[in-house]
Amino acid sequence: GENVEQHPSTLSVQEGDSAVIKCTYSDSASNYFPWYKQELGKGPQLIIDIRSNVGEKKDQRIAVTLNKTAKHFSLHITETQPEDSAVYFCAASGGNTPLVFGKGTRLSVIA
Amino acid sequence: DAGVIQSPRHEVTEMGQEVTLRCKPISGHNSLFWYRQTMMRGLELLIYFNNNVPIDDSGMPEDRFSAKMPNASFSTLKIQPSEPRDSAVYFCASSLGLGTGELFFGEGSRLTVL
Repeated sequence: GENVEQHPSTLSVQEGDSAVIKCTYSDSASNYFPWYKQELGKGPQLIIDIRSNVGEKKDQRIAVTLNKTAKHFSLHITETQPEDSAVYFCAASGGNTPLVFGKGTRLSVIA
Repeated sequence: DAGVIQSPRHEVTEMGQEVTLRCKPISGHNSLFWYRQTMMRGLELLIYFNNNVPIDDSGMPEDRFSAKMPNASFSTLKIQPSEPRDSAVYFCASSLGLGTGELFFGEGSRLTVL
């Protein structure tokens, strides 16, 4: 089955700097790669996703890149703000299989 | 829409007691998922349903765990008997269907077994 590895597990950045979180996956059949943000005491919420027919996708300050050959994908957050502090999860799935999540990255943005 | 609704939000119980967690998915969603979140293991998929039918329960850790979905608007996850190592946050999530993209999560049920 699919296995998703996520790094780093914790990340601290100064407000205004960029943050990058990286994930690798094992199943070459996976074709859907979402990113979720989890705030304290809440459930994860989708922030951006990418499908395997696209190499990069951007939405304001966040962007995702996908390298299918190397089986890795990344989340980039630019101009970080204190409200970006949260736990971020990457995930992967293919066809009708459910999402498999990485173990999460705790991002702290220091004002 | 109210989103995915889970209850209770917090449950503290003693070892050996039965625990029942409840979930109401988003109306019109055909797929429902139960996840468990711990610091050590992250988000683990326990079981998922499609059109009220259990599709894969291979993530259920032991026979002490069971889940049902008697209709499209209600699911339960039961632990009997509970053990301290079951302490975790349990999330229910729903989606339009399998492989259709976004999962919508509830706010979770935090279980503490003493």
